[in-house]
Amino acid sequence: EAGVAQSPRYKIIEKRQSVAFWCNPISGHATLYWYQQILGQGPKLLIQFQNNGVVDDSQLPKDRFSAERLKGVDSTLKIQPAKLEDSAVYLCASSLRVAFFGQGTRLTVV
Amino acid sequence: GNSVTQMEGPVTLSEEAFLTINCTYTATGYPSLFWYVQYPGEGLQLLLKATKADDKGSNKGFEATYRKETTSFHLEKGSVQVSDSAVYFCALSGGSQGNLIFGKGTKLSVKP
Repeated sequence: EAGVAQSPRYKIIEKRQSVAFWCNPISGHATLYWYQQILGQGPKLLIQFQNNGVVDDSQLPKDRFSAERLKGVDSTLKIQPAKLEDSAVYLCASSLRVAFFGQGTRLTVV
Repeated sequence: GNSVTQMEGPVTLSEEAFLTINCTYTATGYPSLFWYVQYPGEGLQLLLKATKADDKGSNKGFEATYRKETTSFHLEKGSVQVSDSAVYFCALSGGSQGNLIFGKGTKLSVKP
């Protein structure tokens, strides 16, 4: 069974630039999550989708972060404009009953 | 709100030593509890889980028992190996949306 796919694996951008991350969940998983993992901390939920609808985005900084899940499958997370404190690993996970995680995208904002 | 507290690391052990990583939680209702592991350069992998009080989750020699009376889910292994070196995260899933809430993680280093 294919796992959760994320790209790119690494990204370095300057502050105030924009960046986008892509996630392809496990086939058949209706629930998709984006987490932010800052170095030395546990992952923190940014947004949760059920099919193509948002069920929880209470911790998403909506002034700069946006996410969509077209057709209830793939998802993209965008940051515009990026700040230094956005440097982190962005993890995508999908779930039927248990969450499976992708390898993440390591973002460095300089 | 719901939260998870796990012991601070790093933890350094010799091969074949006994491992305990403490995890306690605060939650309303009856959450499911998980341990995830993150090996160097890799994503989070589910290690084990328990969905109700007194359940014991186990995998690869690791065990954890869901203790409702002490709100704990401590991770144990009787004899660690160098290959167990990783960061271990305790997490709970609860609330109406069921999303995961993680502890800060505990880094384990096992020396030969």
